[in-house]
Amino acid sequence: DIQMTQSPSSLSASVGDRVTITCRASQNIRNYLNWYQQKPGKAPKILIYGASSLESGVPSRFSGSGSGTDFTLTISSLQPDDFATYYCQQSYSNPRTFGQGTKVEIK
Amino acid sequence: QVQLQESGPGLVKPSQTLSLTCTVSGASINSGNYYWNWIRQPAGKGLEYIGRIYTSGSTNYNPSLKSRVTMSVDTSKNHFSLKLSSVTAADTAVYYCATEGYNYYYMDVWGKGTTVIVSS
Repeated sequence: DIQMTQSPSSLSASVGDRVTITCRASQNIRNYLNWYQQKPGKAPKILIYGASSLESGVPSRFSGSGSGTDFTLTISSLQPDDFATYYCQQSYSNPRTFGQGTKVEIK
Repeated sequence: QVQLQESGPGLVKPSQTLSLTCTVSGASINSGNYYWNWIRQPAGKGLEYIGRIYTSGSTNYNPSLKSRVTMSVDTSKNHFSLKLSSVTAADTAVYYCATEGYNYYYMDVWGKGTTVIVSS
């Protein structure tokens, strides 16, 4: 299985801050990397697919980058609605695997 | 607009088999356009991928659960199912079903999730 490692596990930030979350794959997954947002009691929601493609309807303050083994999710200006947990997930091979999550909390 | 809804018993006894169904609306499960996935999440923890099934019946299971997992598709009812045998308290979680496109590689539609508690 491909292991996905996210960092940090949690972070505290203020509204308006630029936030960066990283995800590392245990082997080359090209650009088969997706980012999801999950709020308490809700199902995950796709934000970014193919490492850098923004899902329709997702605000442009979200962006993704990277290829191979190292990836980044950036929120350019954190908004109140963005406080949530973020997961990366590889879709290069089966079984699909998720990172352990990064919880973004209010500072 | 595809929608998914999980259903099944909320309480299962240890050593028994957990059985869940995901009902699909807005699309035919027979369309060939999707892989049908199961994911679970223990309370306060991260997402664990259980596996997926295609319309043809072909499956991919997480090796850590493979010996206990069976997935199936019922085209007449437009739903797909998960069975997990020999459950223990460690299988207590919210269980989600989700679609991944046959021609794209991310899970874009999720059910709301259903909580399953394993307890005697």
